[in-house]
Amino acid sequence: NAGVTQTPKFQVLKTGQSMTLQCAQDMNHEYMSWYRQDPGMGLRLIHYSVGAGITDQGEVPNGYNVSRSTTEDFPLRLLSAAPSQTSVYFCASSPDRFSPAYEQYFGPGTRLTVT
Amino acid sequence: QQQVKQSPQSLIVQKGGISIINCAYENTAFDYFPWYQQFPGKGPALLIAIRPDVSEKKEGRFTISFNKSAKQFSLHIMDSQPGDSATYFCAASGVNAGGTSYGKLTFGQGTILTVHP
Repeated sequence: NAGVTQTPKFQVLKTGQSMTLQCAQDMNHEYMSWYRQDPGMGLRLIHYSVGAGITDQGEVPNGYNVSRSTTEDFPLRLLSAAPSQTSVYFCASSPDRFSPAYEQYFGPGTRLTVT
Repeated sequence: QQQVKQSPQSLIVQKGGISIINCAYENTAFDYFPWYQQFPGKGPALLIAIRPDVSEKKEGRFTISFNKSAKQFSLHIMDSQPGDSATYFCAASGVNAGGTSYGKLTFGQGTILTVHP
């Protein structure tokens, strides 16, 4: 199993550009989520999904969109990048859609810089 | 608004020493407290977790101590090794608004641990 994979590893965007961060997992986990990690802030939940076709907002959803068409994939879209979105983004999945906090598997992250 | 406060921000320990990282929470609905370990360039990985029905949980060199009345919990790393050098995050979770599941994790700010050989 590859676990949770994320692409790209690094990305530089100009203000106003759009892009999609990819996340895939091969563990058949129903629960998937996106976090951003900023210095001194820990990890903050952006969006999450408890199954294909079901998504919901987390703590910091503004400026980000998600969709979940398959169990395996959970892409994160930045519609119009802003410097405040410079961060490291982590995708995570959990085998328990009802209690995902108990066990989450994180991907290796995408480091995004917006200039 | 940070619901889980973690300290210190950074910690330097000599090999063989004890590393102690502290966390405090505000939300009394939290009742699951995991610790995550993150190596440079990697995603966080679950290290150890505790529920408030016990005051201490030990796994190898890693121990969580929990003080429910003070709303504090801490990670102790005994006989710290250079391979323990990483960023450590405490987190907390509790039942959701419907009272049926443990959904979202609230993370502390993180502690960068450096163990010198």
